[in-house]
Formats: sequence, C-alpha cells, structure tokens
Amino acid sequence: DSGVTQTPKHLITATGQRVTLRCSPRSGDLSVYWYQQSLDQGLQFLIQYYNGEERAKGNILERFSAQQFPDLHSELNLSSLELGDSALYFCASSVGSGLEYNEQFFGPGTRLTVL
Amino acid sequence: AQKITQTQPGMFVQEKEAVTLDCTYDTSDPSYGLFWYKQPSSGEMIFLIYQGSYDQQNATEGRYSLNFQKARKSANLVISASQLGDSAMYFCAMRSYNYGQNFVFGPGTRLSVLP
Repeated sequence: DSGVTQTPKHLITATGQRVTLRCSPRSGDLSVYWYQQSLDQGLQFLIQYYNGEERAKGNILERFSAQQFPDLHSELNLSSLELGDSALYFCASSVGSGLEYNEQFFGPGTRLTVL
Repeated sequence: AQKITQTQPGMFVQEKEAVTLDCTYDTSDPSYGLFWYKQPSSGEMIFLIYQGSYDQQNATEGRYSLNFQKARKSANLVISASQLGDSAMYFCAMRSYNYGQNFVFGPGTRLSVLP
C-alpha cells in the first residue's frame, strides 16, 4: 500500500458528462501529480500541484482542470467527456517538487469508461 | 522536442539472471531527470529509480541500477537476479527542468521472467 488513495476506483459515464476524480496524497507529501494512461496515447503527464499551487503542466486538455486543496487532497475535473477520454487516471505524490524529491508514490488509479 | 524511445516491446529472461531494458532519450535541456517505473499486470504503478542529468554516479536501488551514458543519451535499467515478480511492464520517463517540467514517457517494455 503506497499510502495514496484515489476514489472512485471505477467510473462509467456517458459522453458529454462531467466527472471528478479525487486523490489523497501520502501523509506529509506536498506534491500531487496526475497522469493518464490510455491504449491510444500511452502514459501522459497531466499536471502537478505543490502545496496548493500549480507547479507543472503537461498534456492536459482545456476540458480538464485540477486543483489542490488546503488539506492537500487534489481533484481532477473532466468535462464534456469524449470516448477518447476513457483511460486509467493515476495520481501520485511526493514529498516536495524539486530535483531532490523524485520518489513518487502512486495511487491505485481510477478507471474511467466513457460510453 | 523531448522524446523517450524504448525499442524492446517485449523481453524474456530466465529467473536469477540479469536483464537490461533499453531507454534512449532526446532533449535539448541540460537539466533533466530520468525515471523508471514498473507496472505489474495488476495495474498499479511503482517508481523504481531516478537519475539526474548532473549526477556523477549511476543510480542504484537494491537489485535495480541505471546505466546512464549521457553522451549516448541512454538510461538503461539493469535488473540483477531476476525474480518471477519482476514480470511487468517497465516505463522509462524523462522530466525536463527548464522547459515546463513536463514528463515524457516511453511506450514501455514488457518483461517476462521464466522459471
């Protein structure tokens, strides 16, 4: 058990809908990362937050947004869902965000299916 | 542009033998980090090892070592004394620290350890 929790484990929804994925980092970790893994596009980095502030942005679509709350949990919001958004969404956490804080702990992922 | 190449879609290794998984990268950023992750068939993602571009020595973590050849832009993962539990997908990734701190992942190598 990595100590990172993600809810829900599975999510099935329809095109055009909006969903929210939740992540709680390990106790003491200030950074949260979001990744998408799909058959078409492989693994992609979406976004990183550090202590409530956006720290790095990857291939995150404009229909997607994220935030990190004062208690350090993070939410990834996906809207106007398309079939291609079906994927496994991972959250990871690390102690910090600099070069020296490289070990990431991953949650079990949320499997999103868009029908 | 940043790119990670993993040329071995699949590999087999006999239990207790060593195996090398190849990874080459391309970046114009002098400051970057290289990561290896393991994804067993159960789906979770596990961070294995990290190498910074300015690190003088190759990274090691238990049975994992990273053979970092900067001039050749390669960051191969060496697993010593393979175990059946090492059967998994292995992803190489790079993070550039001067250009948006984005992560870029390779397509992965599926390793199968034979008894």
